[in-house]
Amino acid sequence: DTGVSQDPRHKITKRGQNVTFRCDPISEHNRLYWYRQTLGQGPEFLTYFQNEAQLEKSRLLSDRFSAERPKGSFSTLEIQRTEQGDSAMYLCASSQPGQGYEQYFGPGTRLTVT
Amino acid sequence: GQSLEQPSEVTAVEGAIVQINCTYQTSGFYGLSWYQQHDGGAPTFLSYNALDGLEETGRFSSFLSRSDSYGYLLLQELQMKDSASYFCAGSYGQNFVFGPGTRLSVLP
Repeated sequence: DTGVSQDPRHKITKRGQNVTFRCDPISEHNRLYWYRQTLGQGPEFLTYFQNEAQLEKSRLLSDRFSAERPKGSFSTLEIQRTEQGDSAMYLCASSQPGQGYEQYFGPGTRLTVT
Repeated sequence: GQSLEQPSEVTAVEGAIVQINCTYQTSGFYGLSWYQQHDGGAPTFLSYNALDGLEETGRFSSFLSRSDSYGYLLLQELQMKDSASYFCAGSYGQNFVFGPGTRLSVLP
């Protein structure tokens, strides 16, 4: 069990550019979640996958955000036409079937939009 | 909507007991989780309550009262390493809503 990993750990981009983040969950976990966290706030739910199916997407998530989990293993989160307000820590988490309340988080990708 | 409320800060001394409260909105609510996050670290799972009552895990306990839409995390025998942010998180169907977090400072 190597835990949840995320890549890259840090990303600096200019406004208007597209960025893509990757998350590798714990291997036996079929559920995968993406969150966004800003300083001093709790994680904000973005989207959730069960295997390869995206079952829930926050209404707060604009159409510039898209996530995929094509083979039910790793997932990618893409942000198109980044804005300064997208600067945040992007967290990925995974959980076992039926245990969504116990999520294991990765170290996060810190995005800075200049 | 679905939102949770927690105190923003709590301070206690080493060896003491501290309680962090959380209130939540009931519509669609399934259960309440607690997570710890140290500065610069990722949230780590502490405890979960789906039913009323107390769940004990070592020095940490968590309580839920559905009738009061309220829960709390109890930390006993506080240690310096317990200084961190603590989040309650409500399960609402496929959606998980985190509270704003309570920053705990443990003083020597």
